[in-house]
Amino acid sequence: LVMTQSPATLSVSPGERATLSCRASQSVSSDLAWYQQKPGQAPRLLIYDTSTRATGIPARFSGSGSGTEFTLTISSLQSEDFAVFYCQQYNHWPRTFGQGTKVEFK
Amino acid sequence: EVQLLESGGALVQPGGSLRLSCAGSGFNFGSNGMTWVRQAPGKGLEWVSAITGSGHRTYYGDSVKGRFTISRDNSKNTLFLQMNSLRAEDTAVYYCATRSTFAGHWGQGTLVTVSS
Repeated sequence: LVMTQSPATLSVSPGERATLSCRASQSVSSDLAWYQQKPGQAPRLLIYDTSTRATGIPARFSGSGSGTEFTLTISSLQSEDFAVFYCQQYNHWPRTFGQGTKVEFK
Repeated sequence: EVQLLESGGALVQPGGSLRLSCAGSGFNFGSNGMTWVRQAPGKGLEWVSAITGSGHRTYYGDSVKGRFTISRDNSKNTLFLQMNSLRAEDTAVYYCATRSTFAGHWGQGTLVTVSS
């Protein structure tokens, strides 16, 4: 099961909205998570079950979708949000990650 | 507070073996599935293996199946990854994480380098 993220890189200015996409090669129902990874740090869980924010995650992060098409939206980018974002499906074994989307400063 | 501390990473020759450990605290370790994820230098995340809370069921990624073995000791709140027949492409930071579905909490990782 292949997870494909787009775009590979997203250039955004602070305060702007960012929309990241994740596509599954077959349905994963709503079993989709998003992670954020900053340089030199471990990833951290942002969203699970497609749209549930993990503990402590700000409301500007939201997730949507089902089946094979999913979206992570950051409503108003803050300076601390610039990072690489990964999606992961957990509906099938083995679990699989997307290749990541880098959100960079425009 | 959930804490995960990986250890055991090292430089190892191709064909060699290594055993990673992950000590968990701040949560009910024996009730949680656990996962290993790795990240090669400059690359993305790769799911490696998972184990149920009881340890009775284990799962592996295609690239490590038959070479790696995941296990746990719930009496010591510790997760293991036995890695055999190591290859250069196994070079990565290895993270342990809580849960066998999505990865809830992550450790800081341990570096495994496979090189002669």
